[in-house]
Amino acid sequence: AQTVTQSQPEMSVQEAETVTLSCTYDTSESDYYLFWYKQPPSRQMILVIRQEAYKQQNATENRFSVNFQKAAKSFSLKISDSQLGDAAMYFCAYSMDSNYQLIWGAGTKLIIKP
Amino acid sequence: GAGVSQSPSNKVTEKGKDVELRCDPISGHTALYWYRQSLGQGLEFLIYFQGNSAPDKSGLPSDRFSAERTGGSVSTLTIQRTQQEDSAVYLCASSLAPVADTQYFGPGTRLTVL
Repeated sequence: AQTVTQSQPEMSVQEAETVTLSCTYDTSESDYYLFWYKQPPSRQMILVIRQEAYKQQNATENRFSVNFQKAAKSFSLKISDSQLGDAAMYFCAYSMDSNYQLIWGAGTKLIIKP
Repeated sequence: GAGVSQSPSNKVTEKGKDVELRCDPISGHTALYWYRQSLGQGLEFLIYFQGNSAPDKSGLPSDRFSAERTGGSVSTLTIQRTQQEDSAVYLCASSLAPVADTQYFGPGTRLTVL
């Protein structure tokens, strides 16, 4: 069965610095998708970044980038130049190419120190 | 355009009462999902609708839970004879395509069962 593990329940970073959130997953599939979602206190789950497993290039969205290591089954999220608005719960999720269901990690609470 | 909307945003009910939670997906999205998020936890899949196909109800925790989707658009999640353990945030999401497509989430309904 597929599983997603986020080993950091909570992380804190000084404003303007860089932070990396870790995510590992377990699967026997070769084609799949990985996601990072952000959930601020407003509860709205917002897509941060998406990675297709068949793409070797790491996805990037402005200050957010991932380090996708397929062999190691690792999918970490790097946030550069952290801003107060980045404070939220961050969830890593996995989806098989042929399946609609998302498998979710337990989340990492990110605290931004001013 | 408008995102996924959910109502009510908060619902407080007494144990044993029935509740209905509503989800309006993004126009044109054929896939609709319901999730449950307990305090400090990741998301738990409940049910999935795709077009006119029979829904995947495999995540519903008991027969007290049911959902329908009328006209391929609005969905209602009904919980009968609510229990205290039903207290959680119920999130709805929709996607344009059913397979591994990005899911767009509503703000959720926080259900509190006293």
